[in-house]
Parts: sequence; C-alpha cells; structure tokens
Amino acid sequence: GENVEQHPSTLSVQEGDSAVIKCTYSDSASNYFPWYKQELGKRPQLIIDIRSNVGEKKDQRIAVTLNKTAKHFSLHITETQPEDSAVYFCAAHLGTALIFGKGTTLSVSS
Amino acid sequence: DAGVIQSPRHEVTEMGQEVTLRCKPISGHNSLFWYRQTMMRGLELLIYFNNNVPIDDSGMPEDRFSAKMPNASFSTLKIQPSEPRDSAVYFCASRRENEQFFGPGTRLTVL
Repeated sequence: GENVEQHPSTLSVQEGDSAVIKCTYSDSASNYFPWYKQELGKRPQLIIDIRSNVGEKKDQRIAVTLNKTAKHFSLHITETQPEDSAVYFCAAHLGTALIFGKGTTLSVSS
Repeated sequence: DAGVIQSPRHEVTEMGQEVTLRCKPISGHNSLFWYRQTMMRGLELLIYFNNNVPIDDSGMPEDRFSAKMPNASFSTLKIQPSEPRDSAVYFCASRRENEQFFGPGTRLTVL
C-alpha cells in the first residue's frame, strides 16, 4: 500500500523566515496531494492541495510543489507568522483513502 | 452546512466497557473515514466506507473494533471491550471527489 514519509518532524523558525516541509510517497498511482494544518486541540483543516497534473500551486503565503518523477512534494510557507504555528500533515490519495504523513510541528517565534 | 458532526466530544470510560463513537458526514459526501490520532502513531486510517459500503478495514487494530454505516448520514465506531491503549482522539471525515473534511473528533480516555 501507499506509504508517506514526512520531514522534518519539528521545525522552529523566526517570524518572517520561510519554512519548508517535505514529503515522499511510494505509490506512483497516487494523484492528489493535500496539506492539512492542525492547531492544538483542533481538527486537521485543508490548507492547500495539488493534483498530479500540476507542478506547483500557490495561495498567498503558502505554496506546494510536486515532483512526480521523484515522488516527492513540499509545502513552502513564506513570511511566517506566529499564527502559522501548528502541526502540518501531508497526505497522498490512493484510491479513495488519504494516507497521511506523521506530521511536522512548526513553531514560529516572534 | 454544519460540517462533519461527531459525538460525544469527550468520553471517559473504564477498561472493559463498550464505547460507541458516532459520526454524521456532510450531506452529499459519499465517502466516510475513521481515523485515530495519537502522539506515537500520528493519524492512522482505521476504516473507510464508499457509498455506505466498507471498502478497507485493514487499519482496524483488532477484532475489538468494529464500524458500521447503516445509511448515508450516520456511522458508528464501536470498541468492545475497551482497553487503556485505545485512548486517543478519533476523527471521522467525509469526502466528495477529492476534498476531505474532518469532524471535531472524540477524545477517548480509557482508565
């Protein structure tokens, strides 16, 4: 089955810096790659996604890139703010189910 | 739309007791998922349904766990008997096409 690896597990940055989280997947048939943000005590919420026919997608300060050949995708957050502090999960869509990475705890200090 | 609804939000029970978690998906969504989240194991997919039919239950940890979806607007996850290691947050999620939305979760504590 699909396996999703996510790195790093923790990431600390200063406010205003950029943050990058990377994921790899194992099944080349996966065709949809969402990213979720989970704040403490809350549910995971979709923040951006990318489909396999697109290499990059941007939404204000966040962007996602996909390299299908290498089977990896990344989340980029620019001009980080304290409210960006949360756990971020990548996922890959195989069939109907989303398979999630283990998560990255991002801490943005002001 | 109220989003995915889960009940109860918190459950504290004693080892050996039966626990039933409930989920109402978003209307019109044809796929429903149960996840378990712990610090050690992250977000684990337990089981998912497509059009009320269980498709993959390979993530269900043991026979003590069972899930049903009797109709398009309701699903249950049952643990019988419960054990302390079942303590976790259980999320239900529903999806139509690609976008998947999570419920608020049920925090289960088994003493």
